[in-house]
Amino acid sequence: GENVEQHPSTLSVQEGDSAVIKCTYSDSASNYFPWYKQELGKGPQLIIDIRSNVGEKKDQRIAVTLNKTAKHFSLHITETQPEDSAVYFCAASKGGFKTIFGAGTRLFVKA
Amino acid sequence: DARVTQTPRHKVTEMGQEVTMRCQPILGHNTVFWYRQTMMQGLELLAYFRNRAPLDDSGMPKDRFSAEMPDATLATLKIQPSEPRDSAVYFCASGWDRGTDTQYFGPGTRLTVL
Repeated sequence: GENVEQHPSTLSVQEGDSAVIKCTYSDSASNYFPWYKQELGKGPQLIIDIRSNVGEKKDQRIAVTLNKTAKHFSLHITETQPEDSAVYFCAASKGGFKTIFGAGTRLFVKA
Repeated sequence: DARVTQTPRHKVTEMGQEVTMRCQPILGHNTVFWYRQTMMQGLELLAYFRNRAPLDDSGMPKDRFSAEMPDATLATLKIQPSEPRDSAVYFCASGWDRGTDTQYFGPGTRLTVL
């Protein structure tokens, strides 16, 4: 069946370094790729998203890139801060809320 | 600031008891999802509704779980009878099918079945 693979499952970085989380999807009909951040004790919250007609999108310290040919998309966080520590989920959707989530990446930012 | 609300936030119950979790989606959203999460990772889709009609509940154990939307402002997830393996955090999310496929999650209900 369709799936989204997310790597790594755990990532530890030093404050100020960059963090990269990668996802691969299998359904070529996917056209919307959101990223969610889940802090401890809270529900996932959308932090950035990208549509299939765009290759890159930035919002301050976070950016997402999409390679449709390779079916890869990645989340980049620059100048990481302790408050970036959370679980991050990627997802791929092909409309009609047919959304598949990755398994999540637990990011630790060490002060 | 529109947001999804869920009640209760925490529930501790004994095995065999009925559990009801409630969700109020964001006003105007017509799609509602129920997810289960264990160990702070992995979102397991249990069911989702569009315009109050169930579209997919294939992820839900049918013998003990049921999900309904009595009206557009309330979604419920019931477990009867509850079992210790049901212990998890249950999230409700809502969205609008005329926009992007963005889902807006509630804060979750942490369920512990003893």
